[in-house]
Amino acid sequence: GNSVTQMEGPVTLSEEAFLTINCTYTATGYPSLFWYVQYPGEGLQLLLKATKADDKGSNKGFEATYRKETTSFHLEKGSVQVSDSAVYFCALSDNRDDKIIFGKGTRLHILP
Amino acid sequence: DGGITQSPKYLFRKEGQNVTLSCEQNLNHDAMYWYRQDPGQGLRLIYYSQIVNDFQKGDIAEGYSVSREKKESFPLTVTSAQKNPTAFYLCASSGGRVPYNEQFFGPGTRLTVL
Repeated sequence: GNSVTQMEGPVTLSEEAFLTINCTYTATGYPSLFWYVQYPGEGLQLLLKATKADDKGSNKGFEATYRKETTSFHLEKGSVQVSDSAVYFCALSDNRDDKIIFGKGTRLHILP
Repeated sequence: DGGITQSPKYLFRKEGQNVTLSCEQNLNHDAMYWYRQDPGQGLRLIYYSQIVNDFQKGDIAEGYSVSREKKESFPLTVTSAQKNPTAFYLCASSGGRVPYNEQFFGPGTRLTVL
């Protein structure tokens, strides 16, 4: 079946550090891939998405590239801020129904 | 502004009581979802509905019930049969048009059983 695996947290970085959160997936066909972010006490917000191989999603300084050859969609940011502290979820849709499969989430702490 | 509202934000219930969580959307989305979130376990799908008057069980439907009488509304009832109901509950909706079926989330309801 379809699945998403992302690195376990928490991840703790200093402000202005480079961020990578790894995400790999298993799916049949050509899934759409997403990163969602959840700030404390809130629901999830879509951060970025990619719908086909080699697409790069980007938003708020975050980027992720859809790599079909490595079945990966790693999240990166060049210089993190304290306000980026949140839980990040990698997710996929196999585009055959309306369901999305979420990874377990990675908690990110940014120290000032 | 279009969006999804969930109420209440915090809910307390005694063991043995049923409780209903509200979810309303004004995005004109066809599909709606309920998820349960527990620490370290990510999101687990409880029920989803792709159209009015129809819904399907997700991965952890036992002890829960839903209805979809209106496009805008998808209430979730946590019944006394749910053995461990304390959790954060998230409602979501999507336009349902694959392959761009991103989901939009409400702010969540935190349920605590006393």
